[in-house]
Amino acid sequence: KQEVTQIPAALSVPEGENLVLNCSFTDSAIYNLQWFRQDPGKGLTSLLLIQSSQREQTSGRLNASLDKSSGRSTLYIAASQPGDSATYLCAVSAAPETSGSRLTFGEGTQLTVNP
Amino acid sequence: NAGVTQTPKFQVLKTGQSMTLQCAQDMNHEYMSWYRQDPGMGLRLIHYSVGAGITDQGEVPNGYNVSRSTTEDFPLRLLSAAPSQTSVYFCASKRSPFGWNTDTQYFGPGTRLTVL
Repeated sequence: KQEVTQIPAALSVPEGENLVLNCSFTDSAIYNLQWFRQDPGKGLTSLLLIQSSQREQTSGRLNASLDKSSGRSTLYIAASQPGDSATYLCAVSAAPETSGSRLTFGEGTQLTVNP
Repeated sequence: NAGVTQTPKFQVLKTGQSMTLQCAQDMNHEYMSWYRQDPGMGLRLIHYSVGAGITDQGEVPNGYNVSRSTTEDFPLRLLSAAPSQTSVYFCASKRSPFGWNTDTQYFGPGTRLTVL
């Protein structure tokens, strides 16, 4: 059974700092990996999706890497801002034919960026 | 596009009551799904659908029913609510059920359900 772990569970940094969020998964046979952002009381917003054949994806100040063989992904946030404060969730998808496109989520990293 | 919409946003039920959580998407997505989010458990898949008329069970289907009569709508029914079903429920959709590992899943804003 796929398990996804995110470390740290919570992180507090001063504004402007570069930071890394970590995600690990137990079964390397993934289809893709997504990073989501969740604001309090809100739904999930997709930030980046990395296909299983890719090593990284970038969007603005965000960069996500994937090392499928070691079961790890990182989300790098450059020059953090108070507006980045949210919970960041990592989710992996197995092949749709076997899993119904199920996403297996980590429990998230709660990020606070202090002005 | 409104994306994925869910109603109601909040609901309180008594044990044994029934209700339907509504989910709709206007992106013509084939794949839709329901997740529940609980502290310490993360998000878990309840049911999913790969197209109109086709549904299947996810990880935690007991106590829930779904149907998919149209591409746009995917309601989740609680037949006899139990306190263990207190949770935040999210509906999600993506373009195709198979073959596209670039497909992003889009989530609705959620329904917060409390069962007393």
